[in-house]
Amino acid sequence: GENVEQHPSTLSVQEGDSAVIKCTYSDSASNYFPWYKQELGKGPQLIIDIRSNVGEKKDQRIAVTLNKTAKHFSLHITETQPEDSAVYFCAETDSGGGADGLTFGKGTHLIIQP
Amino acid sequence: GAVVSQHPSRVICKSGTSVKIECRSLDFQATTMFWYRQFPKQSLMLMATSNEGSKATYEQGVEKDKFLINHASLTLSTLTVTSAHPEDSSFYICSARQVADTQYFGPGTRLTVL
Repeated sequence: GENVEQHPSTLSVQEGDSAVIKCTYSDSASNYFPWYKQELGKGPQLIIDIRSNVGEKKDQRIAVTLNKTAKHFSLHITETQPEDSAVYFCAETDSGGGADGLTFGKGTHLIIQP
Repeated sequence: GAVVSQHPSRVICKSGTSVKIECRSLDFQATTMFWYRQFPKQSLMLMATSNEGSKATYEQGVEKDKFLINHASLTLSTLTVTSAHPEDSSFYICSARQVADTQYFGPGTRLTVL
């Protein structure tokens, strides 16, 4: 990957509401897009991922959408809970292209207000 | 499944000394492991790709003589920070690739160089 932009940098939502985080990328060869949740002082935890041959993927309250034409992908969290508060990172890579390390966005600090 | 451990979790050392950090995949074999660095309130930056039985591939700007990587087995990669200086203080995180492109991260190692 080359560059990943992530918005917003901070997102505060009321408990029970939905949260949406968006990322755009520049490398047209990118084909794998994971999302990670990182709590303070811990390593990132994979929460969902999507590959370029799929437009949407859902896992309970979490969903990811991918628009390859526009080069953007989004994380959707519904029915937010206090334990969802963390920093979320999008990432991308050109899997199989020889440079398989992940390029990360700058992160979104999600705050769930009780 | 897909558990990655790191040791130590925290290390404090004097300037000029060397520090070794271990990364282990506990329940799977990983032909490829990655090392990332994360400064406070910033994103993760890929430092190098570690392939079992071969030399590591370093990202541009990362000194290979300063950050020595050894991937001697399918479950262990080590990062040695040689002649550490205060500017090397950071959160070092490894990841291991299980299947295809999915990367699982360790809990990180907090390095403080005095």
